[in-house]
Amino acid sequence: KAGVTQTPRYLIKTRGQQVTLSCSPISGHRSVSWYQQTPGQGLQFLFEYFSETQRNKGNFPGRFSGRQFSNSRSEMNVSTLELGDSALYLCASSVSVGSGSYGYTFGSGTRLTVV
Amino acid sequence: GESVGLHLPTLSVQEGDNSIINCAYSNSASDYFIWYKQESGKGPQFIIDIRSNMDKRQGQRVTVLLNKTVKHLSLQIAATQPGDSAVYFCAENMDRQGGSEKLVFGKGTKLTVNP
Repeated sequence: KAGVTQTPRYLIKTRGQQVTLSCSPISGHRSVSWYQQTPGQGLQFLFEYFSETQRNKGNFPGRFSGRQFSNSRSEMNVSTLELGDSALYLCASSVSVGSGSYGYTFGSGTRLTVV
Repeated sequence: GESVGLHLPTLSVQEGDNSIINCAYSNSASDYFIWYKQESGKGPQFIIDIRSNMDKRQGQRVTVLLNKTVKHLSLQIAATQPGDSAVYFCAENMDRQGGSEKLVFGKGTKLTVNP
């Protein structure tokens, strides 16, 4: 079956601009999580969506936002870009059941460079 | 606080040897753990997971051991191959909010397999 698809793969933006990244989860996975990966901070949780609702959020400023559509596809948006936002943004989809979420599968990521 | 750390940042082994990658976690309430492999330019690839009601789980050439007493996780790779060269992350599933969890990742161990 198809994996997690993230688009675009690469982006170069200028400081102050905004950017929107897209993630299509594995078919049947209704939970989508976003992570930021940098050499200095490693992998850090941004937020998680399930059934179009944000269920969990990490410690990132309000410039980082997201949403999920009825088909479980998700987008994340970063406004007023800063140089420090340069990172690999990863999306993971998972199966969410009553006892928890399992089977986190990551996409290949979107490499964002802010200049 | 939240902390999932790896004891060794780098590990170099000879092809055919067994590899052991270690991970310490801090939250005794965490009940689900995952090991990921990340190759350059790619997203993390799921290797194996384990729930806290288990001490050991085996996959193809990989074994994960969980010691809840000392909050320690390890990944064993049998007959390590050059294709196993990558950065390995452990992740802890924690912080339930409304049925959602987030993954907290260790900093990663770079495994190099010498032919």
